[in-house]
Amino acid sequence: GAGVSQSPSNKVTEKGKDVELRCDPISGHTALYWYRQSLGQGLEFLIYFQGNSAPDKSGLPSDRFSAERTGGSVSTLTIQRTQQEDSAVYLCASSPNYAETQYFGPGTRLLVL
Amino acid sequence: GESVGLHLPTLSVQEGDNSIINCAYSNSASDYFIWYKQESGKGPQFIIDIRSNMDKRQGQRVTVLLNKTVKHLSLQIAATQPGDSAVYFCAEKGAGGYQKVTFGTGTKLQVIP
Repeated sequence: GAGVSQSPSNKVTEKGKDVELRCDPISGHTALYWYRQSLGQGLEFLIYFQGNSAPDKSGLPSDRFSAERTGGSVSTLTIQRTQQEDSAVYLCASSPNYAETQYFGPGTRLLVL
Repeated sequence: GESVGLHLPTLSVQEGDNSIINCAYSNSASDYFIWYKQESGKGPQFIIDIRSNMDKRQGQRVTVLLNKTVKHLSLQIAATQPGDSAVYFCAEKGAGGYQKVTFGTGTKLQVIP
């Protein structure tokens, strides 16, 4: 079946604008993660959804960042009032119920001018 | 959040030689460990995993070793090929279904032809 998909693949925005990044996980996967990856660096955990449990938001860097997951499927990561330091690749991953292996999407490359 | 904002260490290996990539983890309660490979411009992909009740697990050309005493994990790649050039991340997960996966900082493997 289809893997994890993310849209848009690339996004260029102006400083101060809001952006929404979308993640479509693999059908039936209950866990969904968002990560941020700056150029040449590792994965920075942002937020974790698991089934109907309250999400783990401990990685969100500021209150400008928020995420939701509707109907236990599609997730949207929203960045308000974007700053240049928000420029990075935003990766989404999903995994089956309480399983550990994550399946990653291709990422959204965000550039804030 | 769990920032991994350090520049990646690099390991350079001659084609045909064996590669060993190391990872130290901090959570003694982690019971599941995974290695991911990330090629340029793509999301990370699962390579091999190991549970804490094992010391060694082998795949095709890859072996993962786990030393729980010193909280150390390694990935060995036999007969390294140019296609192995990528960034390699280790990840750990604590016991329990709601525990999120935590990624290490990553190591960049460069294969010299």
